[in-house]
Amino acid sequence: KAGVTQTPRYLIKTRGQQVTLSCSPISGHRSVSWYQQTPGQGLQFLFEYFSETQRNKGNFPGRFSGRQFSNSRSEMNVSTLELGDSALYLCASSVTTPSELYEQYFGPGTRLTVT
Amino acid sequence: QKEVEQNSGPLSVPEGAIASLNCTYSDRVSQSFFWYRQYSGKSPELIMSIYSNGDKEDGRFTAQLNKASQYVSLLIRDSQPSDSATYLCAAGDYSGGGADGLTFGKGTHLIIQP
Repeated sequence: KAGVTQTPRYLIKTRGQQVTLSCSPISGHRSVSWYQQTPGQGLQFLFEYFSETQRNKGNFPGRFSGRQFSNSRSEMNVSTLELGDSALYLCASSVTTPSELYEQYFGPGTRLTVT
Repeated sequence: QKEVEQNSGPLSVPEGAIASLNCTYSDRVSQSFFWYRQYSGKSPELIMSIYSNGDKEDGRFTAQLNKASQYVSLLIRDSQPSDSATYLCAAGDYSGGGADGLTFGKGTHLIIQP
C-alpha cells in the first residue's frame, strides 16, 4: 500500500507571497492532519480534516487554511508569507471513526523556505 | 495548554544495551500515546502506539504507560547503531467531535555507540 505523498517536496517563496501544499493520504484513510515542524517549536498541529470538514484547528493565524476534497486529498494554503513560516510542513493520514483512537502516518513533508 | 515533556538529550547508549526514553504529559484527558522515530532530514515514522496502562511489546520495542503518573516510556532492547535518531513522544485525545491533533514533545536525541 502506498504511503502518504506530499507535493512539492521543496519550495522557496518570497515574503508576502502565498503558497499551496498538497497531500494525498494512504488509500482508505479519511482523516488528514497538517503539522508544522521548526527547530525552535518542534511539531505543532495546524488542522485536521475528515470527510471534507475541518474538525479541529491548532493555534495558528488565519493566514493558514486548508481544505479536503471528496477523494480525501487535502491542500493547505498559507497567505502573506512571513519569514517565520519557513518550516517543514507535514501531512499525516489516519483511519478514524468517531469512536476510534487513531494512529497517524506522516508523509515526507514539504520544506518551505521564505526569503 | 497541553504539553508533552521530553529530555532533549543527547542520550548515549552502547550498542547492544537497553535504551530508555521517557516523557510526561500534562493533559489528563489524553487517551492515546505514540512514539515516533525521526531521522535527520526525514519525516517522523510511527513505531509504537499505546492506549492502556501497562506494557506493550513489539519486537525490540516496549512502550509503557502509567496514566496515574502521566508518564510514558519507550524501551529499545539490543540497541543498534541504526536506532540512532530523534524519538518523539506524542499524546492525543478524543473530544467527542473528532480526534484532536497530536501534541508532540520536542524529542530525545538518541545516539547508539558502536
